[in-house]
Amino acid sequence: EAQVTQNPRYLITVTGKKLTVTCSQNMNHEYMSWYRQDPGLGLRQIYYSMNVEVTDKGDVPEGYKVSRKEKRNFPLILESPSPNQTSLYFCASSLTSGEASYEQYFGPGTRLTVT
Amino acid sequence: AQKVTQAQTEISVVEKEDVTLDCVYETRDTTYYLFWYKQPPSGELVFLIRRNSFDEQNEISGRYSWNFQKSTSSFNFTITASQVVDSAVYFCALSEPPYYGGSQGNLIFGKGTKLSVKP
Repeated sequence: EAQVTQNPRYLITVTGKKLTVTCSQNMNHEYMSWYRQDPGLGLRQIYYSMNVEVTDKGDVPEGYKVSRKEKRNFPLILESPSPNQTSLYFCASSLTSGEASYEQYFGPGTRLTVT
Repeated sequence: AQKVTQAQTEISVVEKEDVTLDCVYETRDTTYYLFWYKQPPSGELVFLIRRNSFDEQNEISGRYSWNFQKSTSSFNFTITASQVVDSAVYFCALSEPPYYGGSQGNLIFGKGTKLSVKP
């Protein structure tokens, strides 16, 4: 089954404790991205990756890191989480963007709480 | 600047009613893409449709239909004979080509319309 998987699905952590949210897709997509969803603010892009070893900032990258060592994986790293990073996080993937924008397929979401 | 407005925050209908969700967008470019996603109570985001700016044909898929009008910058979504399973938050989104400096492939989402279908 074609899908985007994320782990963990739920995480409660404390301020400053480094964490990684994994994301993997089995559709051979080159493009992957991370979004966060917050009440009243909607969905906003954090980082994206056009291909292996190519990543760039989205609209709200502060406090996050990403890496793209393999085509299928795109982990999101919070090196020193803070309470304002409490949110619902989505990973997504799509065909190569290039000059066109294709639909992005989203993972199930990771609900993160930072206390 | 790119912007997507979904003016209807919440809509409540009774099963079998038809309902239209509005979406108005702003963009600087003549080439852009529009999308609709569904977020049911379980939380996942489900892709419904993609439309490029050069294709103004309306689309129908079962009980779902979409009306794209460039003249009014609107991309409205209609559910015919709504069902309880249609209850969800629906998002309209816009994506532009990268040469205006925005992040490539970034989806600009509206704030969503929460649809409740009562039996």
